[in-house]
Amino acid sequence: KQEVTQIPAALSVPEGENLVLNCSFTDSAIYNLQWFRQDPGKGLTSLLLIQSSQREQTSGRLNASLDKSSGRSTLYIAASQPGDSATYLCAVEGGNNRLAFGKGNQVVVIP
Amino acid sequence: SAVISQKPSRDICQRGTSLTIQCQVDSQVTMMFWYRQQPGQSLTLIATANQGSEATYESGFVIDKFPISRPNLTFSTLTVSNMSPEDSSIYLCSVGRGPGDTQYFGPGTRLTVL
Repeated sequence: KQEVTQIPAALSVPEGENLVLNCSFTDSAIYNLQWFRQDPGKGLTSLLLIQSSQREQTSGRLNASLDKSSGRSTLYIAASQPGDSATYLCAVEGGNNRLAFGKGNQVVVIP
Repeated sequence: SAVISQKPSRDICQRGTSLTIQCQVDSQVTMMFWYRQQPGQSLTLIATANQGSEATYESGFVIDKFPISRPNLTFSTLTVSNMSPEDSSIYLCSVGRGPGDTQYFGPGTRLTVL
């Protein structure tokens, strides 16, 4: 059974600092890895999807890397803003679109 | 992308009753899923809703407790039956267009069972 772990569980950073969020998974046989953002009272928003054959994806201030062989992914958020405050979820797909999630990184960016 | 709506957005229910949650997608999709997020926990997949056939349940989830319907390619329902306080969770539906594709989530239904 796939186990997904996210560290740290929670963190607070001053505005302008870079954020580094870590995700690890136990089974390297994955189709892809997705990073989501979850805001209170709202659903999940897909941020980045990395296919198993890729090593990284970038979108604006966000960059995600994937090391499938070691079962790790890192999400970097450059120059954090208060609007980046949210919970960030890492999920891996083992097949047929079925996702296994971590518990999330709860981020607070202090103005 | 896909736009997904869920009804109700939240509800407070009494122990022993049942609640049906609806999920509507703005376009036809192949794969629809139901997830549960218990307080402080990660999302857990309940089942895959298959169009025209019985849903496929994950380990630990059974049809009698979580019956699912999927009458067409844009709509699905999840019923939480004979509820107990342990069923208090956020229930989310999601859609995908195939293996390896981005998955899109609805806003969720926040259920509280007293």
